[in-house]
Amino acid sequence: DAKTTQPNSMESNEEEPVHLPCNHSTISGTDYIHWYRQLPSQGPEYVIHGLTSNVNNRMASLAIAEDRKSSTLILHRATLRDAAVYYCILVFSGGYNKLIFGAGTRLAVHP
Amino acid sequence: ETGVTQSPTHLIKTRGQQVTLRCSSQSGHNTVSWYQQALGQGPQFIFQYYREEENGRGNFPPRFSGLQFPNYSSELNVNALELDDSALYLCASSLSVPGKETQYFGPGTRLLVL
Repeated sequence: DAKTTQPNSMESNEEEPVHLPCNHSTISGTDYIHWYRQLPSQGPEYVIHGLTSNVNNRMASLAIAEDRKSSTLILHRATLRDAAVYYCILVFSGGYNKLIFGAGTRLAVHP
Repeated sequence: ETGVTQSPTHLIKTRGQQVTLRCSSQSGHNTVSWYQQALGQGPQFIFQYYREEENGRGNFPPRFSGLQFPNYSSELNVNALELDDSALYLCASSLSVPGKETQYFGPGTRLLVL
């Protein structure tokens, strides 16, 4: 299983943009890049995913490097509700879609 | 459309006992996955069921077993409980369709083994 590397923690102020990085240098051509987040005392929640092109949805944007060896999750305006652990996960598209979670990045958002 | 639900929310057992945890998938989803999350760590994949058959397994011993029913609900059974089995157990449902493998998680069952 291809691995991802994320910073242990990051901090942001409310209403500022947040860029959460993820390195995945051993990514294969059939791996999708998925992001999930886990709010305190809840199960993980899907945020966004992509393959090669940048992606946008109502929650966030995903910027994928041209060589696909890194990606960045962008929260355009952080709110207190965005305080969570964010996981970057590679999902092989050709088989069953187990999620291999790392330690993730714990995001703190200050008022 | 109802989300993924799990029962019970909390459970206390003693070492050596057996436990059954239950999961009701999101409507229309045919795949369910189970994860174990120890305190302070990310979830660890236990196994996945697709159309009532085990479809993949993580690094967990055989005393962790599961079932998926025709209505796609699921059970996780753990025999001979050990202290290290204390954790949050999460189930997630999804559609087994390429490009639509987003997993939707339930709130989890917190198991304490004494």
